[in-house]
Amino acid sequence: SYELTQPPSVSVSPGQTVSITCSGDNLERKYVSWYQQKPGQSPVLVIYERFKRPSGIPERFSGSNSGNTATLTISGTQDLDEADYYCQAWDNNYVIFGGGTKVTVL
Amino acid sequence: QVQLLESGPGLVKPSETLSLTCTVSGGSISNKYWSWIRQPPGKGLDWIAYISHSGSTKYNPSLESRVTISSDTSTNKFSLELRSVTAADTAIYYCARHPHVGGDPFDIWGQGTLVTVST
Repeated sequence: SYELTQPPSVSVSPGQTVSITCSGDNLERKYVSWYQQKPGQSPVLVIYERFKRPSGIPERFSGSNSGNTATLTISGTQDLDEADYYCQAWDNNYVIFGGGTKVTVL
Repeated sequence: QVQLLESGPGLVKPSETLSLTCTVSGGSISNKYWSWIRQPPGKGLDWIAYISHSGSTKYNPSLESRVTISSDTSTNKFSLELRSVTAADTAIYYCARHPHVGGDPFDIWGQGTLVTVST
């Protein structure tokens, strides 16, 4: 079965840039979405179709996808960006989620 | 503005059936696709199943033998049944919308409902 692999955690200082990776076979051929989830809240879509941002999502969130790796980048990270982030893709019309990455803003 | 709201029992006994309903407001379920996703406490997201506006369904292979997803266009709701539950099925259950399958994201989520499997 298809799998998406994310690092369990990353840390970043306020104002700096952090990148979260998501790895899977031939991932560049798939549309990848990214979700932000804060404690006690539902996930929120922050990136879809590899790099598009939904309305209302700040420009500091960006996405890219190359080879077997998709990347969510947060530029100028703010305290309120501290959250869990999940990548998601489709494989033969099945939904696959990555295991999630906890972003800590130190 | 489309909103989703999950409802159902918060406590289910082992070996029984978990039944949840997602009520869609502000839009019709007669278009788009609709999914159930769960999240065990402290763990990641796990997709369960989706149903299309035409009633076609797809299930996570790991749960397929125990799950049924259905919809009722007259009430604008869709539902989940998970049979023979165990403690491992304890999770927050979310309903979510996606425009299509194969590439589209989950653009709208419900608030989630915690279901505990316990005697």
